[in-house]
Amino acid sequence: GQQVMQIPQYQHVQEGEDFTTYCNSSTTLSNIQWYKQRPGGHPVFLIQLVKSGEVKKQKRLTFQFGEAKKNSSLHITATQTTDVGTYFCAESFSGSARQLTFGSGTQLTVLP
Amino acid sequence: NAGVTQTPKFRVLKTGQSMTLLCAQDMNHEYMYWYRQDPGMGLRLIHYSVGEGTTAKGEVPDGYNVSRLKKQNFLLGLESAAPSQTSVYFCASSPHLFSTLSGANVLTFGAGSRLTVL
Repeated sequence: GQQVMQIPQYQHVQEGEDFTTYCNSSTTLSNIQWYKQRPGGHPVFLIQLVKSGEVKKQKRLTFQFGEAKKNSSLHITATQTTDVGTYFCAESFSGSARQLTFGSGTQLTVLP
Repeated sequence: NAGVTQTPKFRVLKTGQSMTLLCAQDMNHEYMYWYRQDPGMGLRLIHYSVGEGTTAKGEVPDGYNVSRLKKQNFLLGLESAAPSQTSVYFCASSPHLFSTLSGANVLTFGAGSRLTVL
């Protein structure tokens, strides 16, 4: 089936450092969503990217969709302890069955 | 609004027992989903429904059954639980699936149900 790779699996950063997680697909994506899951919590929607090359910002978070719509990234500037959690990308593939597929997630730890 | 409510939140079963997880949403969403989450595996789709009375298989459907008799409810059943089904189960709903309209296919998740099969 369709697969999307998300890297890294784990990331430890010092508070104030930047953080980036990447999602890569071998096939073209229709759109991509990003979710955040706090420890012990449930995934919460952050953003959706639809257009090739699209860039969206939410305060310290910057989301990018690749020109070929095969990859995406989430960058956090100057991490804070409130950024702790697991970040998932979720993709729907062009022309595929009606499913939204999640990446394996990047677990972010922010050290104070 | 409560959003998406899952019951029970915790359950311990013995191998071979059966149980049903209930998901209820009050947002009038058409689409509902059951995912399981295991360490390092992300969220894997078990079954989903595109409307009342419909169900479809996801990535890992074996050992599970679902029903959507009412639009607001989506039930996940385990007929004969196995230790491999120990996991955290999340229900989610969305207004649509394949729409680029802003927010149209965003998933709203329930708080999760932690199931342990001994």
